[in-house]
Amino acid sequence: KAGVTQTPRYLIKTRGQQVTLSCSPISGHRSVSWYQQTPGQGLQFLFEYFSETQRNKGNFPGRFSGRQFSNSRSEMNVSTLELGDSALYLCASGVGGETQYFGPGTRLLVL
Amino acid sequence: GQNIDQPTEMTATEGAIVQINCTYQTSGFNGLFWYQQHAGEAPTFLSYNVLDGLEEKGRFSSFLSRSKGYSYLLLKELQMKDSASYLCAVRDAQAGTALIFGKGTTLSVSS
Repeated sequence: KAGVTQTPRYLIKTRGQQVTLSCSPISGHRSVSWYQQTPGQGLQFLFEYFSETQRNKGNFPGRFSGRQFSNSRSEMNVSTLELGDSALYLCASGVGGETQYFGPGTRLLVL
Repeated sequence: GQNIDQPTEMTATEGAIVQINCTYQTSGFNGLFWYQQHAGEAPTFLSYNVLDGLEEKGRFSSFLSRSKGYSYLLLKELQMKDSASYLCAVRDAQAGTALIFGKGTTLSVSS
């Protein structure tokens, strides 16, 4: 069974731009969670989607948003990028409330 | 609120045993996870504890004491490839299915 896939793997943007990241969960998994990982803050929860509905949201500004499609694929969007948004963005999928399996991540650099 | 503490760095030699501790404070404990993350890669699932006691899986074991808010990951017969960051994460009932991560423990295994 294929693992979680994320695209793109690397991205360079400039301040003020917006970015969209994509995540395809493991087949059969309906839960998709997004995390931001930085050296200073570690892994921090952004939000979780289950059956196309946002089920949970972390403590991030409204510039961070997401959605989930009927095939469970998910996208997250960051608008008006700031230098501090440079991070590894990880997507994790799960069956429901069980173990989450992470994708390889998208490394975003904001210049 | 939630708080998770684990040592920042540990060193050990090949063939040895190492124990990585994790203490946590949550409003409503609902499971503890350990992940391994090699540099530049995604976290990979190691273990899950929700009841007190020891869970053994090959060279890796994880222990949980809910009354003490304490867990440890035990790695036996250390190999060079075990050099990685080990992340302790807690699921808090008040945070839904989100995982709250510690900052991680960087383990360096030398020959």
